[in-house]
Amino acid sequence: GQQVMQIPQYQHVQEGEDFTTYCNSSTTLSNIQWYKQRPGGHPVFLIQLVKSGEVKKQKRLTFQFGEAKKNSSLHITATQTTDVGTYFCADPTGGGNKLTFGTGTQLKVEL
Amino acid sequence: DVKVTQSSRYLVKRTGEKVFLECVQDMDHENMFWYRQDPGLGLRLIYFSYDVKMKEKGDIPEGYSVSREKKERFSLILESASTNQTSMYLCASSKLASGSRETQYFGPGTRLLVL
Repeated sequence: GQQVMQIPQYQHVQEGEDFTTYCNSSTTLSNIQWYKQRPGGHPVFLIQLVKSGEVKKQKRLTFQFGEAKKNSSLHITATQTTDVGTYFCADPTGGGNKLTFGTGTQLKVEL
Repeated sequence: DVKVTQSSRYLVKRTGEKVFLECVQDMDHENMFWYRQDPGLGLRLIYFSYDVKMKEKGDIPEGYSVSREKKERFSLILESASTNQTSMYLCASSKLASGSRETQYFGPGTRLLVL
């Protein structure tokens, strides 16, 4: 199926540093969703981007959808220990209300 | 709030056993999904269903089957468990919608160990 490449796979940061994860697709996406999974938990929906070049913010999190709708990023400003977890992007290109998830970026925040 | 529940959080089975994983959602969602999650591989779709008695294969259906007899319940079946099926299994549900814009709601997961 459609594969969404997500980088990096892991990221360790000091508390207060910024963090960014990227998703790239070889095909144009109709929209992209982002999920967060806390350690020991399950994925929880964060946001959906639909429009070309769209930027959305949730407090310290900034989500972007590329102009060509082939890539997306999630940026966290001044990370906190509560940001620890794995962040997944997901795209619906497979159709049928399915989502194809990226491989995820695991974020660890050290004090 | 949408609630998706899974029958077990942890399960230990022996090779060759038949294993049933149950998932129930309480929001009248049409779509239900089964994923497995393995380190470095993300979430991979095993099977999904968009209606009662309907099922479609995902990306990795081999060794699995599913059953959806009622709208709220979606079962994953391992006919003969093998050690390579040791994994975290996640169930999810979503509303049926055009434009593929519906978000998915996940259950807590079942961590299966096959010995």
